Amino acid sequence: EDQVTQSPEALRLQEGESSSLNCSYTVSGLRGLFWYRQDPGKGPEFLFTLYSAGEEKEKERLKATLTKKESFLHITAPKPEDSATYLCAVQGLETSGSRLTFGEGTQLTVNP
Amino acid sequence: DAGVTQSPTHLIKTRGQHVTLRCSPISGHKSVSWYQQVLGQGPQFIFQYYEKEERGRGNFPDRFSARQFPNYSSELNVNALLLGDSALYLCASTWTSGSYEQYFGPGTRLTVT
Repeated sequence: EDQVTQSPEALRLQEGESSSLNCSYTVSGLRGLFWYRQDPGKGPEFLFTLYSAGEEKEKERLKATLTKKESFLHITAPKPEDSATYLCAVQGLETSGSRLTFGEGTQLTVNP
Repeated sequence: DAGVTQSPTHLIKTRGQHVTLRCSPISGHKSVSWYQQVLGQGPQFIFQYYEKEERGRGNFPDRFSARQFPNYSSELNVNALLLGDSALYLCASTWTSGSYEQYFGPGTRLTVT
């Protein structure tokens, strides 16, 4: 059974204070690891897909990296508008169809 | 281009009632998945449909059912509602059954009283 654990549960940063969010996963073969951003009361917004260890992807102030056991979402010089819950999800090779297994998320607050 | 659309936005039902939630995928996408998100938790997979056939089912009771129509839109039905069914119900669309990136709609907030 695929499992995802995210840490910390909540993170409070000052504007400009860089940090990282962690996603540890257990799958019997990784098909893909996904990062989403979710604002309160809204649907998750797709950010990145990572497929293999060593892969990195960037978008504005966000950079996602992947190892064989975990993924990090690095946030460089965050702004208040980066405040949201960040969700990590995995899809295993033995997963049928497009099923995603999500973690509980990290709630990020960036203060001005 | 329009993204994934869901209706209604909000819904209040009483225990024991039935509810139908609707989803239209991104144009050209043929697969729809449904997720339940309880407040403070990550989304939990309920169903996936591709080309009108069920391609996956999560660990939910038989009170939950779904179907997909020829235009690839989908309905999620929940019978005999329980208080614990209160959640945000999310629909996600992908190009095909094995597609990796899933794009989510805004969700339907269901409250059971």
